[in-house]
Amino acid sequence: EIVLTQSPATLSLSPGERATLSCRASQSVSSYLAWYQQKPGQAPRLLIYDASNRATGIPARFSGSGSGTDFTLTISSLEPEDFAVYYCQERNSWPRGTFGQGTKVEVK
Amino acid sequence: EVQLVESGGGVVQPGGSLRLSCAASGFNSDDYAMHWVRQTPGKGLEWVSLISGDDGSTYYADSVKGRFTISRDNSKNSLYLQMNSLTTEDTALYYCVKDYDGGGSLRFDSWGQGTLVTVSS
Repeated sequence: EIVLTQSPATLSLSPGERATLSCRASQSVSSYLAWYQQKPGQAPRLLIYDASNRATGIPARFSGSGSGTDFTLTISSLEPEDFAVYYCQERNSWPRGTFGQGTKVEVK
Repeated sequence: EVQLVESGGGVVQPGGSLRLSCAASGFNSDDYAMHWVRQTPGKGLEWVSLISGDDGSTYYADSVKGRFTISRDNSKNSLYLQMNSLTTEDTALYYCVKDYDGGGSLRFDSWGQGTLVTVSS
């Protein structure tokens, strides 16, 4: 079973700052990694799929990188609406789609 | 616009059963794989089940295999999850989720708002 470990658990930043979130897999997931954003009271929303591809309608300030076991989600300049919880998810162990435990991006 | 609306959640005693429904609109649900994903504060997000849009094949997480059954009614553009032998570990918010493609890529591109299932005596 693949385990995804996200770090840090909480990231305290100010609007306009750069956010760098990490997701590490316990074994290689190739490029089959996605990132989701979840705001309070809302369902998760797909941001990035297959490590580096932005989903439809996602702003260019969101970018993803990595392959194998180490992945990064970068938000180049935080907007007020970006403060939320972010989850990574792998689809290499089909049909299971394991999620990480999440990173909360909060206002400093 | 894709819309997924879940219903059927509620409070049930351990050992009981519940049937969740998901009404889909804005797309032909039979063209896509569909999933149930659940979320708890303690365990986070957990994939539960998949039904293929290509051939109707079904798949389950080990934690629910033999107890839950996923199905779909394409004539009603609806997805279902029959949950039997429920335990307190099944308490969660259950999301209906659309896949990017028919076979089940596990790219979860649209989510409903969820329906809450509470298993408690």
